[in-house]
Amino acid sequence: EPEVTQTPSHQVTQMGQEVILRCVPISNHLYFYWYRQILGQKVEFLVSFYNNEISEKSEIFDDQFSVERPDGSNFTLKIRSTKLEDSAMYFCASSDRGVGQPQHFGDGTRLSIL
Amino acid sequence: GQQLNQSPQSMFIQEGEDVSMNCTSSSIFNTWLWYKQDPGEGPVLLIALYKAGELTSNGRLTAQFGITRKDSFLNISASIPSDVGIYFCAGQNGGSQGNLIFGKGTKLSVKP
Repeated sequence: EPEVTQTPSHQVTQMGQEVILRCVPISNHLYFYWYRQILGQKVEFLVSFYNNEISEKSEIFDDQFSVERPDGSNFTLKIRSTKLEDSAMYFCASSDRGVGQPQHFGDGTRLSIL
Repeated sequence: GQQLNQSPQSMFIQEGEDVSMNCTSSSIFNTWLWYKQDPGEGPVLLIALYKAGELTSNGRLTAQFGITRKDSFLNISASIPSDVGIYFCAGQNGGSQGNLIFGKGTKLSVKP
């Protein structure tokens, strides 16, 4: 069964450094999402992406965050200058038709900011 | 913003017991989804509900989309040890590009 893959599984970074989290969505999917889950808390929406542009973003997704689809398969989340509170699991998800369709999640990247 | 209230927060099960959990919202959702998350992994889709009143099963799991479109429940019948994990409900409204609002989760554990 097709799946969303994310790399790396764990990223340790010094505060203030830039990080790029990578995702390969399911190949025929058109809608892409990033979510965040702070340890022990619920999953929170960050951003949705369709047709090479951001569709919607949450309050969490401030100017330090950006997303990109650099080629036909990858979808990346960049945090420009990391803060301690950015430590969390970051999940990528994709769906084939957006609204009204289920989203399939990757196993996440654990981001640890020191 | 929209919030989901999921209950119970945690529960202990013995093998063979039936389990029930639910989510409520103050606002309407067009789609309800139920996910299970095991430690160190991403949420895995269990059931998706698209119509008010819809009742859908997936093996021992049954979920319903409330008539008011503001609630949903998930039942697990005859639980087995591998059912342990965290179950999340998620709502999706029609006005967005499909982003999900998640509940805080129900943690299922095995009774000692």
